[in-house]
Formats: sequence, structure tokens, C-alpha cells
Amino acid sequence: KQEVTQIPAALSVPEGENLVLNCSFTDSAIYNLQWFRQDPGKGLTSLLLIQSSQREQTSGRLNASLDKSSGRSTLYIAASQPGDSATYLCAVGPRETSGSRLTFGEGTQLTVNP
Amino acid sequence: NAGVTQTPKFQVLKTGQSMTLQCAQDMNHEYMSWYRQDPGMGLRLIHYSVGAGITDQGEVPNGYNVSRSTTEDFPLRLLSAAPSQTSVYFCASSRSEGDGLYEQYFGPGTRLTVT
Repeated sequence: KQEVTQIPAALSVPEGENLVLNCSFTDSAIYNLQWFRQDPGKGLTSLLLIQSSQREQTSGRLNASLDKSSGRSTLYIAASQPGDSATYLCAVGPRETSGSRLTFGEGTQLTVNP
Repeated sequence: NAGVTQTPKFQVLKTGQSMTLQCAQDMNHEYMSWYRQDPGMGLRLIHYSVGAGITDQGEVPNGYNVSRSTTEDFPLRLLSAAPSQTSVYFCASSRSEGDGLYEQYFGPGTRLTVT
């Protein structure tokens, strides 16, 4: 059974700092990995999707990397801003033809202080 | 393009009542799913569907029913509400290929309280 762990559970940083969020998974037979952002009381917003054949994806100040063999992904946020404060979730999509489902980590709650 | 929509946004039920949470998507996605999100337990899959007329159970299906008569709609029915079903419910959709799921799109959620 796939298990996804996110470390740290919470992170507080000053504005402008570069930071890294970590996601690890136990089964390397994945199809893709997706990073989401969730604001309090809101739904999940997709940030980046990395297919299993890719090493990284970039969108603006965000960069996500994937090392399938070691079961790890990182989300790098450059020059953090107070508006980046949210919970960040990673989810792993399995490589299978039926019964496909995502497995989520419990998230990292990020606070960026002005 | 509205994406994934859910109604209602908030609901309070008494124990034993039934209700249906609505979910619709306008992206012609084959795959749709329902999750519940609870503090300390993350997101857990309730039911999912890989196309109209096809549904299957996730990890926490008890007390919930689903059906998928059209590609666009995937309602979740609570048969007899219990306090343990107090949660935030999210619907999601994505394209589905033979070897996996593509980018997931989530609705804004329904916050349900059962008293």
C-alpha cells in the first residue's frame, strides 16, 4: 500500500526566504506526482504535475523535482511572500489500469511572515 | 469553463437524515471521485467513477452511495447521516488514460455538520 509523508508538518519563515517542502512515498511504481495548495476553508488548487518520466517542473517561483528511485519529491518556493501562506499537499498517482486513485500526504502548513 | 462545481457549500443535518451532495464538471473528464478531509487524517477516497455507469468504492465507502448517469455529474448520497460523517467533502475530476490519471481538478468543497 502506497504511503505518502510530508515533512515538515508546519513551517514558518520570514518574507523573501527561499524554502523547500518535502514529500516522500514508499512505492516507486508511480504514474505521476502532483503538488496542490489549499487555503483555509477552500478547495485544492493544482500547482504542478510531474509525470514519472520527468525530473522537474517549473511554474513561476515554484519548482518541483521528482526522484522516483528514492521515492522523493521536493517543492522549492523562491523569494517567499505572505500570499504563499497556505497548506501544501502532495499526491501520488499510481501506475495501474483500473482502480486508479491518488494517495495524499497530510500536508505542510506554510506561514510566510511579513 | 466553470471547472468542478459543488453544491451546497455548507449543510447541517440531524442524525438519521439523508441528503445528496452535488458535483458537476464541464471538462468532459472520464474520472470523477469523492474525498472527505478530516483533521489529522488527510484526504480519504470515498467513491470514484471511471466513466458513466461505472463506479467503485474507495477506502471509506460505508454510509455513502454514488451513481454516474452522465459524464458531467457525480452525486454523493448520505443514506442516514451520522455524526462521524461530519467533514469537508471534495469532488475531483481528471482525464483517465489506460495507464493512469492526469491532473486532478478539485471543487471548492461542501462543509457538512451532522448533529
